[in-house]
Amino acid sequence: GAVVSQHPSRVICKSGTSVKIECRSLDFQATTMFWYRQFPKQSLMLMATSNEGSKATYEQGVEKDKFLINHASLTLSTLTVTSAHPEDSSFYICSARHRGSSGELFFGEGSRLTVL
Amino acid sequence: KQEVTQIPAALSVPEGENLVLNCSFTDSAIYNLQWFRQDPGKGLTSLLLIQSSQREQTSGRLNASLDKSSGRSTLYIAASQPGDSATYLCAVSTGANSKLTFGKGITLSVRP
Repeated sequence: GAVVSQHPSRVICKSGTSVKIECRSLDFQATTMFWYRQFPKQSLMLMATSNEGSKATYEQGVEKDKFLINHASLTLSTLTVTSAHPEDSSFYICSARHRGSSGELFFGEGSRLTVL
Repeated sequence: KQEVTQIPAALSVPEGENLVLNCSFTDSAIYNLQWFRQDPGKGLTSLLLIQSSQREQTSGRLNASLDKSSGRSTLYIAASQPGDSATYLCAVSTGANSKLTFGKGITLSVRP
């Protein structure tokens, strides 16, 4: 299957700093990427939908100024958690939809963010 | 609003057993349904994708079926192995570019 790479896999930061997470589709072009957040033993919560070259569409209750999403190319989307606080600590997962495919989604390995 | 349910939340079986994981969804107007596997602390691995026009898909020991009219899908795992222990999630999409709606997953434990 197609490969989606997410980096970093783990990051620890101090409260008030900003953290950037990258999501890359390695062997395919992805017109749409999705960012999810997952709490322990919970399912994935969609945060936003990112389309290449346009502004991201955020789900209700997700602060767009807090979670900045950029989808600058067909293979790269970034999520920046600005002024991170301990409550932002979570597992963040991106997924990419294969351009021209039957709608199948491929997921990255996830990024564990811990804010001290 | 589409809702996806997976029951039970957890399942423990002895090695070698054939098992069925259930998934139900409230809105039958889906585009496709996807089954994923998630290991602890990891991302999701796509297992099977079923288009709305299809009734089943097979990959190795896995077989997924779809009954769109009744809002149900099953993931059949043959001859289960300890390495199959993971959380299995199903998700549905309402369009080619639409988001996925996930169930909460079934945590499977296969005992040696």
